[in-house]
Amino acid sequence: GQNIDQPTEMTATEGAIVQINCTYQTSGFNGLFWYQQHAGEAPTFLSYNVLDGLEEKGRFSSFLSRSKGYSYLLLKELQMKDSASYLCAVRDSNYQLIWGAGTKLIIKP
Amino acid sequence: GAVVSQHPSRVICKSGTSVKIECRSLDFQATTMFWYRQFPKQSLMLMATSNEGSKATYEQGVEKDKFLINHASLTLSTLTVTSAHPEDSSFYICSARGSYPDSSPLHFGNGTRLTVT
Repeated sequence: GQNIDQPTEMTATEGAIVQINCTYQTSGFNGLFWYQQHAGEAPTFLSYNVLDGLEEKGRFSSFLSRSKGYSYLLLKELQMKDSASYLCAVRDSNYQLIWGAGTKLIIKP
Repeated sequence: GAVVSQHPSRVICKSGTSVKIECRSLDFQATTMFWYRQFPKQSLMLMATSNEGSKATYEQGVEKDKFLINHASLTLSTLTVTSAHPEDSSFYICSARGSYPDSSPLHFGNGTRLTVT
């Protein structure tokens, strides 16, 4: 079966750095997406990786290792507004999106 | 950027009534639209995938006669929850995909909070 694992919840301090991991086992691979979802709102797109390596976009970076079935989202200079759930999603060989359950990130002052 | 508009944002209805939710792509042609449901503190659950002009493909466990999906044009898809019951209360989110390079993400509507009393 297809499976995406990410931690249920993480806590970090304002101004610090946090890394949210995602491991996946899917039927084929056509890209990995990270989305941010604030409570009661729809997800918003953060990043996309299809080749191995690091993609940097401002305070957020995403890394992919296809051989390891592994990705992480790195958030730097954490702000209170970064408190949200972070969803990892993998597009499989049929171009279907397989969603992780999301990681709830709690930022403390 | 691509915008998806979803209406209504909130709806409260009585048990047994039907509710229609609209999802529109405002600045691109959505060849495929997806409908998700999300219960509190849970991840997105794909309900169905609809392609313009054809019948929707429902995920296992989703009743197609209860959740009617119509994708009549390249910019509009509707989800009708028929004979709603309190257990149908949830957050419903649509997303759309158009002609795209591989890196394009799904574009999400803002969601509809349905409460059935």
